[in-house]
Amino acid sequence: KAGVTQTPRYLIKTRGQQVTLSCSPISGHRSVSWYQQTPGQGLQFLFEYFSETQRNKGNFPGRFSGRQFSNSRSEMNVSTLELGDSALYLCASAMLTESTDTQYFGPGTRLTVL
Amino acid sequence: DAKTTQPNSMESNEEEPVHLPCNHSTISGTDYIHWYRQLPSQGPEYVIHGLTSNVNNRMASLAIAEDRKSSTLILHRATLRDAAVYYCILRDPSNTGKLIFGQGTTLQVKP
Repeated sequence: KAGVTQTPRYLIKTRGQQVTLSCSPISGHRSVSWYQQTPGQGLQFLFEYFSETQRNKGNFPGRFSGRQFSNSRSEMNVSTLELGDSALYLCASAMLTESTDTQYFGPGTRLTVL
Repeated sequence: DAKTTQPNSMESNEEEPVHLPCNHSTISGTDYIHWYRQLPSQGPEYVIHGLTSNVNNRMASLAIAEDRKSSTLILHRATLRDAAVYYCILRDPSNTGKLIFGQGTTLQVKP
């Protein structure tokens, strides 16, 4: 089975721009979660989508948004980029037949905001 | 959300056992204890999880204290490939899709 894939792997943007990151979950997985990882704050949960609905949300400003498509692929959008948005953005998928199901992470997208 | 406390770093020699501790004194009765690890330049990967009883899998063992206020991840024979940041996470079953990561323990394995 192919793992979680994220595109692009690297991205450079300037302040004020917007960016869209993509995540393709493992086949059969219906839950997709997004995380931000920075040296200062560590790994922080952004949001989770399940069957095209946002089911859980972390404590991030409204500039961070996402969506999930009918094939479970997910996109994350960040508008009006700030320098502090530079981070590794990780997506994880899970089957979630049980609430304790394992999450499988992708390699991440490294976003640099100049 | 209940929190966990882990040592910032630990060292081990190759092929020796490693015991990674985690304190979670505010754990609730329904919280599961999960361990993930993150190898350099990779996303986190699942290691093991448990609720009350000790658990074993091909990667590691999880020993859970009787009062559930602490747990220990045991790597039976550390290899250089086990060098990673290990995260102990309390998982509320009602909080689907959300993992709350602490700072984790950076494990160094010396040859």
